[in-house]
Amino acid sequence: SQQGEEDPQALSIQEGENATMNCSYKTSINNLQWYRQNSGRGLVHLILIRSNEREKHSGRLRVTLDTSKKSSSLLITASRAADTASYFCTGRDAGGTSYGKLTFGQGTILTVHP
Amino acid sequence: EAGVVQSPRYKIIEKKQPVAFWCNPISGHNTLYWYLQNLGQGPELLIRYENEEAVDDSQLPKDRFSAERLKGVDSTLKIQPAELGDSAVYLCASSFGGAPTGELFFGEGSRLTVL
Repeated sequence: SQQGEEDPQALSIQEGENATMNCSYKTSINNLQWYRQNSGRGLVHLILIRSNEREKHSGRLRVTLDTSKKSSSLLITASRAADTASYFCTGRDAGGTSYGKLTFGQGTILTVHP
Repeated sequence: EAGVVQSPRYKIIEKKQPVAFWCNPISGHNTLYWYLQNLGQGPELLIRYENEEAVDDSQLPKDRFSAERLKGVDSTLKIQPAELGDSAVYLCASSFGGAPTGELFFGEGSRLTVL
């Protein structure tokens, strides 16, 4: 099952603007995580939000989680050219044979123009 | 602290040849993952180890792919024989803890090109 589907597929903004990416998932999760991937590199963990949390902040990042809608959003404020990357969300499966499994979506490609 | 180390970073082979990728996880991380990432796509899980036990290998094409994690530390992923469609980036990741709820730490990946 796809535990992370990002929207939009691509986002292009100017430096200084805010970037918002959305994520939907299908089954019950323990937590939801966002990762960043620069071109040609591995994924880097950005932030984790637990299923009993609704909002979390880390620096310029703000993540929300709505378990009733099975959705999350990632907001990057005051974006910089260095934020240009692909962003992935993924949920940790909460039970059954998929317990703990992390499944990634296709990601959102963010381009920040200087 | 050293991160997840993968080698080689790049590999070009002809189809039907064998290839192997190596991964050394972060010290103390008992969970190790191999993911495959096609261009423009997200990573897809191939296999997950808890220590030396493969607890999820349902997505591993066992006719040509094999993996091992001897002594529960580093791991090797092998493809024999390689096909054109195996061209992709193979990512290794590790995480800490018996309960698989934490974040993953990824290596830089091994990019395979099959000609």
